[in-house]
Amino acid sequence: DVKVTQSSRYLVKRTGEKVFLECVQDMDHENMFWYRQDPGLGLRLIYFSYDVKMKEKGDIPEGYSVSREKKERFSLILESASTNQTSMYLCASSFGWRWGLAGPNEQFFGPGTRLTVL
Amino acid sequence: GENVEQHPSTLSVQEGDSAVIKCTYSDSASNYFPWYKQELGKGPQLIIDIRSNVGEKKDQRIAVTLNKTAKHFSLHITETQPEDSAVYFCAATRGGSGNTGKLIFGQGTTLQVKP
Repeated sequence: DVKVTQSSRYLVKRTGEKVFLECVQDMDHENMFWYRQDPGLGLRLIYFSYDVKMKEKGDIPEGYSVSREKKERFSLILESASTNQTSMYLCASSFGWRWGLAGPNEQFFGPGTRLTVL
Repeated sequence: GENVEQHPSTLSVQEGDSAVIKCTYSDSASNYFPWYKQELGKGPQLIIDIRSNVGEKKDQRIAVTLNKTAKHFSLHITETQPEDSAVYFCAATRGGSGNTGKLIFGQGTTLQVKP
């Protein structure tokens, strides 16, 4: 059973602090994603990684960076937290290319981290 | 730019009735259309998906239809039950995303099933 875990369920930080959100998956997935979820806006992609040390910007990368040093772990970093980064952050993972897989496939999500920046 | 529009934003039905959620997408190269259900306090979970070479797919009480010409796809839930109450998201792959499966999500629909 695929498991995606996130380091915190709730986090409260102050403006200007550096914030680390950690995500770990146990299914040997190549692809990992960080999303931000806000009411009425759905899920918006912040960053994507398709392999160790590889990353691509998503739709809203400003103010964020990521790190993927190991295949199972994908970290989201808020360099200097601001109040407009108060949100729910969701991590997800999925297989990349595999024999027998017909292209894009299921993303498995973690439970989310609700971040409040004061 | 690439976009997925989802309607309605909220939907309230009586237990046993059917519920339909509709999405439209803008990128004609999209080829994979998953639907996710998010229960309170949890991350989204895939409930059904459809690929562009199929027009309809059914799994027990849920079904998805795809109209590639009109760039529409819909989720149908029959015989709704209180445990179907959740937020539902549609999504479509971004054109050219290959096996990375990068998705564009709709805005979400909050479904309430009244007992």
